[in-house]
Amino acid sequence: QITLKESGPTLVKPTQTLTLTCTFSGFSLSTSGVGVGWIRQPPGKALEWLALIYWNDDKRYSPSLKSRLTITKDTSKNQVVLTMTNMDPVDTATYYCAHRRITIFGLGLPPDYWGQGTLVTVSS
Amino acid sequence: DIVMTQTPLSLSVTPGQPASISCKSSQSLLHSDGKTYLYWYLQKPGQSPQLLIYEVSSRFSGVPDRFSGSGSGTDFTLKISRVEAEDVGVYYCMQGNTFGQGTKLEIK
Repeated sequence: QITLKESGPTLVKPTQTLTLTCTFSGFSLSTSGVGVGWIRQPPGKALEWLALIYWNDDKRYSPSLKSRLTITKDTSKNQVVLTMTNMDPVDTATYYCAHRRITIFGLGLPPDYWGQGTLVTVSS
Repeated sequence: DIVMTQTPLSLSVTPGQPASISCKSSQSLLHSDGKTYLYWYLQKPGQSPQLLIYEVSSRFSGVPDRFSGSGSGTDFTLKISRVEAEDVGVYYCMQGNTFGQGTKLEIK
């Protein structure tokens, strides 16, 4: 049974750095083809993909946010960490982590299992 | 980048009636491996998205058979044969890392 859970601050100030942790179970990030990604959703708005990391440490970032994002993994702890620098009120959103896979041809597949999400508010 | 366009953006359906959502991609989603990796999700109010359909037409584990997916190339459709109250929420199509805008389903 695959489960994921996001954790981190609920409130950050503008210009601060956000650090979110995704703790998962039911799979290993040392297994070939497996990945974990982050998606966010501003209140009342659509979903936006942010970043993902694969078992082989291959990392992918949203082009529009690449300069602000860093994704890392700790395979021994079953955790993936996302940092986002220079937070702004427009970054207020629910942040989700999700289980991802990549095909043998190198094509990243959409998420299949999602965490419950964590709401992050950016305000002074 | 591939753009995913959903229509309609909202629909109101009487329980027991069918519903249909369209998703069009700006490029063909047929991969060189012969598969098409178009996914559909439902985000119920206050919940995270849940996978309904993968690879155009395969239902994910536990998804009722009133949900079906079809299409090829650039045109895809999600159909609900008989809408139930628990089907309310926002439906998203997705390929790769790109989501459609979402379609909000409400009950009349």
